[in-house]
Amino acid sequence: DAGVTQSPTHLIKTRGQQVTLRCSPKSGHDTVSWYQQALGQGPQFIFQYYEEEERQRGNFPDRFSGHQYPNYSSELNVNALLLGDSALYLCASSLGDRGQNYGYTFGSGTRLTVV
Amino acid sequence: TQLLEQSPQFLSIQEGENLTVYCNSSSVFSSLQWYRQEPGEGPVLLVTVVTGGEVKKLKRLTFQFGDARKDSSLHITAAQPGDTGLYLCAGAPSNTGKLIFGQGTTLQVKP
Repeated sequence: DAGVTQSPTHLIKTRGQQVTLRCSPKSGHDTVSWYQQALGQGPQFIFQYYEEEERQRGNFPDRFSGHQYPNYSSELNVNALLLGDSALYLCASSLGDRGQNYGYTFGSGTRLTVV
Repeated sequence: TQLLEQSPQFLSIQEGENLTVYCNSSSVFSSLQWYRQEPGEGPVLLVTVVTGGEVKKLKRLTFQFGDARKDSSLHITAAQPGDTGLYLCAGAPSNTGKLIFGQGTTLQVKP
């Protein structure tokens, strides 16, 4: 049973560029959340997608956008990259709203470095 | 703004010692989750507690949710080198789809 798959694993981008990160949820899960984890910190919630719509959003600027496809996979897009966007980007999946009471399955993340 | 504060931030102990990690907030959460994260990997769920006062045990790990559902603790008995990692608590505010994470506790267990 495949867990959450994220690609790419590592990425180096230049300031001002745009980046797209991808996530395939665990089999049977339909809800995808994205988190940003800076070095030495806990993850911070970016947004959550369910039924192809953004359902919840954290305190991140509009440069951060996402999409969910009918097969439940998801993308995170970041425009006009800043040095401060360098972080580990984590995708987490769950079935509906069960993540709140039963926990989430996280992928291994995409390490983004902005230079 | 809902915050979760974890303490201590760093812990270095010898194999066989006991330890407790605390997770505190002034806000009420519908559930509290504990994750462990290895370098280069995503967090892995250890336990979810949902009822105030609830205690759950996972082998040598004991998790407790405060009566008021604002705080939690993780106690490890007879720590082993394999317990080394970053321990994260995460609170789920009611009726939202997000988790609020603490800053984590880095545990090092020396043989």
